[in-house]
Order: sequence, then structure tokens, then C-alpha cells
Amino acid sequence: AAGVIQSPRHLIKEKRETATLKCYPIPRHDTVYWYQQGPGQDPQFLISFYEKMQSDKGSIPDRFSAQQFSDYHSELNMSSLELGDSALYFCASSPRGALWQETQYFGPGTRLLVL
Amino acid sequence: DQQVKQNSPSLSVQEGRISILNCDYTNSMFDYFLWYKKYPAEGPTFLISISSIKDKNEDGRFTVFLNKSAKHLSLHIVPSQPGDSAVYFCAASDLGSGGGADGLTFGKGTHLIIQP
Repeated sequence: AAGVIQSPRHLIKEKRETATLKCYPIPRHDTVYWYQQGPGQDPQFLISFYEKMQSDKGSIPDRFSAQQFSDYHSELNMSSLELGDSALYFCASSPRGALWQETQYFGPGTRLLVL
Repeated sequence: DQQVKQNSPSLSVQEGRISILNCDYTNSMFDYFLWYKKYPAEGPTFLISISSIKDKNEDGRFTVFLNKSAKHLSLHIVPSQPGDSAVYFCAASDLGSGGGADGLTFGKGTHLIIQP
């Protein structure tokens, strides 16, 4: 079965640079979520989109922005990178339908290292 | 403040025995709970979920129990197999908060080690 695709898988940037992470949801999933997992930490919710509109917002820094496109893929844009932004970034997708429970399916993650 | 707590950082169980992973939550608004399994360098893999209107959900070797009054849930794996060795995350959501695509709140995970 098709899974969530994230690119790139690994990214190395320097402080104050920008980075763009991409997420392609499972086919027919129209909701996308972004999470950040620091070393030894649990995943922290950043932001979500449903039908190309921002839906829920978590602990996303103001330096980060995200959007969802017409084909439902999403991009997380990170500017003025700091050392503390080094983490695993996960994207998850879920279907919206008649069911109110939404199981989120995660991608393999992008490992970002800021030097 | 950690709203979802997994108080055991690690758990060692013999192959063939039952593994019981515990999770406590403090937010009484949580109404949907999930367990994910995670291997290093991979994304979390969905295992099983339960909504607050149920107290038990079963899927093969995996059973999740929910005790709402105690704000406690547990994941039972029977029988435990070597491939079950991984980090298990408990996660919760407040789906009744307005219908949005709500983010999950995760616990810090329990590293399950299945010994042969």
C-alpha cells in the first residue's frame, strides 16, 4: 500500500539558512499534519491542513510556515534556522470522511541537521 | 506539562509472554487514543486506536484497554514476538474540540525489548 512520502530524507543546513521540507500524503488523504521530534523527545505537533486550509496549530515557531497545495501535498518552510531546529520532522496524513475518528499515518521523516 | 505520560521508559519481556504498556493522561477532553510503534530512523507506525465510547479494542495480538475514570490506557501484546521490540508511543486527541484536523499529543514512549 502507498505510504506518506517525505523529501528530502536528510538535510544539512547552516544557521540562518532556510529549508523546505515536502510531504506527499497517502492517495485520497486530504489532511496533512507536521510534527517535530527532537533527540530523545516525543513528537510535537506543529500544524495541520485540511483541504488546503490551515486547520489546527501547535507549537510552530513564527520562523516556520507551511501550506498545502491543490494536489494535497504540503511544504514546511523554515527560515533563519537555529541549532535547536535540528530534529526529525514527520508528516502524517489522514482521510476525512464520515468517521469522526482520524487515524494519522506517518511518513518516514526528514532528519534536519543545523550546523 | 506532559498531558500524556508513559512512566516506563523501558520494558523487557520474554518472548511468548504478555507485554503490557501503560499510559496515563491528564486532559479529560481527550476522546481518541492511539498506539504507535516506532523503529529507529523510521516514522511511527499505527497499531491500534480506541475512542472514549469504548473500553476495549482488539486487533489480532494487540488489545487496548481504556479506563476513563482513571484516565489510563494500556496496550497488551500477546504473545510477544522478537519483532515487537521497538519504541511504543501512546497518543491522544481531542476530536470533539471543533472538528478540525487536530494534532496528536504524544507520550515520551516506552522501549519494549523482547528477549528470546
